[in-house]
Amino acid sequence: EDKVVQSPLSLVVHEGDTVTLNCSYEVTNFRSLLWYKQEKKAPTFLFMLTSSGIEKKSGRLSSILDKKELFSILNITATQTGDSAVYLCAVIQGAQKLVFGQGTRLTINP
Amino acid sequence: DTEVTQTPKHLVMGMTNKKSLKCEQHMGHRAMYWYKQKAKKPPELMFVYSYEKLSINESVPSRFSPECPNSSLLNLHLHALQPEDSALYLCASSHGLAQHTDTQYFGPGTRLTVL
Repeated sequence: EDKVVQSPLSLVVHEGDTVTLNCSYEVTNFRSLLWYKQEKKAPTFLFMLTSSGIEKKSGRLSSILDKKELFSILNITATQTGDSAVYLCAVIQGAQKLVFGQGTRLTINP
Repeated sequence: DTEVTQTPKHLVMGMTNKKSLKCEQHMGHRAMYWYKQKAKKPPELMFVYSYEKLSINESVPSRFSPECPNSSLLNLHLHALQPEDSALYLCASSHGLAQHTDTQYFGPGTRLTVL
């Protein structure tokens, strides 16, 4: 059965800390891995990762994929209260199907 | 413009009502999706439309009926729903090419409550 597993499920840190979120997957016909941030409503797109070992960066966020070990990490440095959200990892399987992990609920305390 | 819009934002309906959720995108995307998301759970795929044709139905009960009138619009018709169908219904769209770079962009969702 295809699955995407995120860890930790919940994380509480102080503003300014660096966090690492993990995503491992076992999916047939893997295409790409996506990271989304979900606050109150719609998941907003962060990164798409297709190739191993190539880091994607956007401001304080970065992510990398390891297709040999079947996992990805999302790093957030110098965290701010606005980073508080659920971070979803999803794998594109086949042509169009997204398989989501359970999400990591990140809380940044001032 | 990476915007997907959904209406209404909130919907409360009884079990005998008929209602519709609407989704629209003007990015020229040819694939559109409906997801259902329960509290503290990830989105679950319901339907995929590709080039206005239904390509994936994830064994969704017939009380949910999707419709794609044109490449920009996606509807979800609701009839005889159950209280357990209460959830956030998310629409998404993507370019629709059968390639691995097909990022899905989500709308803000409709929060549905079935009484």
